[in-house]
Amino acid sequence: QQQVKQSPQSLIVQKGGISIINCAYENTAFDYFPWYQQFPGKGPALLIAIRPDVSEKKEGRFTISFNKSAKQFSLHIMDSQPGDSATYFCAASEVDGGATNKLIFGTGTLLAVQP
Amino acid sequence: NAGVTQTPKFQVLKTGQSMTLQCAQDMNHEYMSWYRQDPGMGLRLIHYSVGAGITDQGEVPNGYNVSRSTTEDFPLRLLSAAPSQTSVYFCASSYSWTVQNEQFFGPGTRLTVL
Repeated sequence: QQQVKQSPQSLIVQKGGISIINCAYENTAFDYFPWYQQFPGKGPALLIAIRPDVSEKKEGRFTISFNKSAKQFSLHIMDSQPGDSATYFCAASEVDGGATNKLIFGTGTLLAVQP
Repeated sequence: NAGVTQTPKFQVLKTGQSMTLQCAQDMNHEYMSWYRQDPGMGLRLIHYSVGAGITDQGEVPNGYNVSRSTTEDFPLRLLSAAPSQTSVYFCASSYSWTVQNEQFFGPGTRLTVL
């Protein structure tokens, strides 16, 4: 059972366009939602993260939009560049009384930005 | 700082063989974890540790053992390799297990079990 559902599986965007990746979750106890970026042959690296007390967080060209009532969050990449071509993973975790860093990952989105 | 290092980068095993994947971090991080990455399935947590001497199971612990004798090292042992364990394995660490914070991932080990 996939606790964090991610779509689309792959995405092709033209340079300068907007890339949008969506995630949905069921567990209302999740309270931390990071996005990780992974280049081929490398480990994932934190891109941006949000907590449910805000509806949007922006860092440069990357924005997370969060809809608590719908249990959905999304990553928007503005002015997409070929260097953004990578696999993107959404994730979620909760404060469960034990270790709080047990991330549940989505299945990933392979983004290709065409020049 | 080297960050999170993993060895080996690639490994081929035969069914039934055992091996240890090494992971080390030089950031004095409390929390360390092992994930496996499979196509279409994202990353799944195998085991994690909140400090030296303390380990616990994640989502997919069967067939794997871990120990944490020092803060720096967190090896993952495959007891009797099976083809289903063919995957890319990532070790990660973060400074605290009590506060959600950035996890730093190693470069991964690509394991093939024949």
